[in-house]
Amino acid sequence: DAGVIQSPRHEVTEMGQEVTLRCKPISGHNSLFWYRQTMMRGLELLIYFNNNVPIDDSGMPEDRFSAKMPNASFSTLKIQPSEPRDSAVYFCASRPTEPTDTQYFGPGTRLTVL
Amino acid sequence: AQSVTQPDIHITVSEGASLELRCNYSYGATPYLFWYVQSPGQGLQLLLKYFSGDTLVQGIKGFEAEFKRSQSSFNLRKPSVHWSDAAEYFCAVGARAGNMLTFGGGTRLMVKP
Repeated sequence: DAGVIQSPRHEVTEMGQEVTLRCKPISGHNSLFWYRQTMMRGLELLIYFNNNVPIDDSGMPEDRFSAKMPNASFSTLKIQPSEPRDSAVYFCASRPTEPTDTQYFGPGTRLTVL
Repeated sequence: AQSVTQPDIHITVSEGASLELRCNYSYGATPYLFWYVQSPGQGLQLLLKYFSGDTLVQGIKGFEAEFKRSQSSFNLRKPSVHWSDAAEYFCAVGARAGNMLTFGGGTRLMVKP
């Protein structure tokens, strides 16, 4: 299995631009999580999906952030418009079924907003 | 609300020495507990997890952790550290009935030759 796939691995953009981060979970996993990692705030859960349905988006910082999961094999996290304080590493993780199951993390996307 | 504290931001140990990384959690019921490791530029990899049963949990790479309910702790240990263990280590807690993990701030481990 290829594991969780994220693209791009690195993104540099200018303030005000739209940014789209992509995630392909492990096949057969039915839960997907988006996390953000910064030096100041550590690892924060932004949103998670069960069976493609958003369950809890209370971690999404602002309306500028949105996430979708149109099917079981693809999810996007969009920031529009982007700001310098959005610079972080964004991780996607997927999990098979039960809360007791392990979350498997992707390699992350390092976002820099100038 | 659940929370996790990792009191040590940085730890340096000599190769071959023993290691203990501290983790304290706050949660109203019996939690799910995890330790993850993150190497530079990489995602997080699960080292071990505790859900129930034996309070001493064995993980990958020779790591173990002990759940102590009375102390609300889940400390990670390794008897002999290798240079390849240099990384950042995260403790996390999850609710039994829920899905979300709350992570501690991490402990960066450096290994001296």
